[in-house]
Amino acid sequence: AQRVTQPEKLLSVFKGAPVELKCNYSYSGSPELFWYVQYSRQRLQLLLRHISRESIKGFTADLNKGETSFHLKKPFAQEEDSAMYYCALSTGSARQLTFGSGTQLTVLP
Amino acid sequence: EAEVAQSPRYKITEKSQAVAFWCDPISGHATLYWYRQILGQGPELLVQFQDESVVDDSQLPKDRFSAERLKGVDSTLKIQPAELGDSAMYLCASTRQSWGETQYFGPGTRLLVL
Repeated sequence: AQRVTQPEKLLSVFKGAPVELKCNYSYSGSPELFWYVQYSRQRLQLLLRHISRESIKGFTADLNKGETSFHLKKPFAQEEDSAMYYCALSTGSARQLTFGSGTQLTVLP
Repeated sequence: EAEVAQSPRYKITEKSQAVAFWCDPISGHATLYWYRQILGQGPELLVQFQDESVVDDSQLPKDRFSAERLKGVDSTLKIQPAELGDSAMYLCASTRQSWGETQYFGPGTRLLVL
């Protein structure tokens, strides 16, 4: 069965510092991975997906099949990046999402 | 911009009572999902619809939970009877089709069972 692991429940960094949110997955097939974000008092929304290979709000994520990881990175964190971040794996013909337990990122001034 | 709507936003009920949640997906979205999110965890899929048909309800506790999408548009999730362990956020999401597309989430219904 597929699984997504986000080892850090809480992560705090100072403004301007680099940030990396870790995500590891287990899946025997070809994975499709996403990062979803939930800002305070807002709904869950897509941040980025690995097949797009794009940078959103300065964030990037590279799929490493050898390490089964999809870590989210940003070189210079901003206070507005403070939010809950969920890594998600899409599997099967119905493309269902399996979510990790989330990492609460706090960017300190 | 079109959004997924859910109601009610909050629901408090006593155990053994029945509760129902409603979801209206973005117009034209064929696929609808119901998730349950327990505090401190990520969302877990309960049921997936493609139009009015159930694609997957393997994680839906069918002894007490039911879901329908009769006309392939809006959907209702029901719990009867509610148990203390059902306290959670219930999220609805939709996509135009299921494959490889962004899921758009509603604001959720927070259920508290006393």
